[in-house]
Amino acid sequence: QSALTQPASVSGSPGQSITISCTGTSSDVGAYNYVSWYQQHPGKAPKLMIYEVSNRPSGVSNRFSGSTSGNTASLTISGLQAEDEADYYCSSYTSSSTLIFGTGTKVTVL
Amino acid sequence: QVQLVESGGGLVKPGGSLRLSCAASGFTLSDYYMSWIRQAPGKGLEWVSYISSSVSTIYYADSVKGRFTISRDNAKNSLYLQMNSLRAEDTAVYYCARAMRGGQWLRDWGQGTLVTVSS
Repeated sequence: QSALTQPASVSGSPGQSITISCTGTSSDVGAYNYVSWYQQHPGKAPKLMIYEVSNRPSGVSNRFSGSTSGNTASLTISGLQAEDEADYYCSSYTSSSTLIFGTGTKVTVL
Repeated sequence: QVQLVESGGGLVKPGGSLRLSCAASGFTLSDYYMSWIRQAPGKGLEWVSYISSSVSTIYYADSVKGRFTISRDNAKNSLYLQMNSLRAEDTAVYYCARAMRGGQWLRDWGQGTLVTVSS
């Protein structure tokens, strides 16, 4: 199964909002409310930012929000800050009872 | 707090074997699904496998099926990944993670252990 499709890079100025898309199929993103998003800084382990499409774990800023529409999930970061510069990966549960990750998006704060 | 510490990585020749371990603390391992995820150098994340709390449910990515075996010892608070018939494309940092629900998302991650497959 191929990875979910994300844009390779997204950039924005401090204070702006950006949105990262994550496109899958009716067998994964479109099938379940089990989309999650992870932030990874260079040389560090990934960190959960959003689970079950739109839920934030405790400790994650409310500047991060998630949604889905059909086979596409989205992560929005509002009030962009320098510390948000990182790689972001989406993930979805699949109809094969496996997990699949997105191709990853590098977020740059200009 | 939740802590996951991987070990067992290293340099291995193609066709060789390696066993990774993940020591868990700060939570009751037997209550959770656990998962392995890997990341090749400079590449994205790739899910490898997960195992249910009772060991009754195990799934693998097609890329490792038949070569890798996930297991756990709840009494020792440990998760394992036995990797056989290793290939150059298995070179990656391997992370263990605490999975939520039925393995559908990954709440906590270890720092990873590097596996290099090279002659």
